[in-house]
Amino acid sequence: ETGVTQSPTHLIKTRGQQVTLRCSSQSGHNTVSWYQQALGQGPQFIFQYYREEENGRGNFPPRFSGLQFPNYSSELNVNALELDDSALYLCASSFKGPGTEAFFGQGTRLTVV
Amino acid sequence: GENVEQHPSTLSVQEGDSAVIKCTYSDSASNYFPWYKQELGKGPQLIIDIRSNVGEKKDQRIAVTLNKTAKHFSLHITETQPEDSAVYFCAASGTDSWGKFQFGAGTQVVVTP
Repeated sequence: ETGVTQSPTHLIKTRGQQVTLRCSSQSGHNTVSWYQQALGQGPQFIFQYYREEENGRGNFPPRFSGLQFPNYSSELNVNALELDDSALYLCASSFKGPGTEAFFGQGTRLTVV
Repeated sequence: GENVEQHPSTLSVQEGDSAVIKCTYSDSASNYFPWYKQELGKGPQLIIDIRSNVGEKKDQRIAVTLNKTAKHFSLHITETQPEDSAVYFCAASGTDSWGKFQFGAGTQVVVTP
């Protein structure tokens, strides 16, 4: 167990809708990174939050947005869902600093129909 | 940006044999290289990592080697067991990109009894 929890575990949405995914970070960690993992592929970095500020972003459009709260938990929001957004969304919790370990939650499986 | 290549994409081994997975990276600034194991329906689990100031690290049946000059690192699993069957991912990040991992495409390891 990593202590990183994500909710919900599964979600089905219709194209064009909006979705919010949640992540609770491991105790003592102040950084949350979000990844998208398409079937059969490695995770792709979406963005990272540190002390409630976005701290880097991957190659994802602005309709992917996020928040981090004072307790370091985080949300990922996706607007105007597209079929290609169907994937496993993972959050990783870590403590700021180079070479520090990151621990993943179990993921949220999003299906867009 | 960083690019991580991982080989092979699938690996079938007999129980008790060794398994080796290799990754190469492109960014010489990368200095932290974790390996994750992902079982079906679960999030990636950190199994071992290595930092650029060492060349090898072992943890029981698992070892990782790093060649900074050649920009490649490898995962070695000895005395494989059926529970080692999973998808393994290598990843890389640097001081300026800590926690923002570039992942390899993954290796499906199947250990047959």
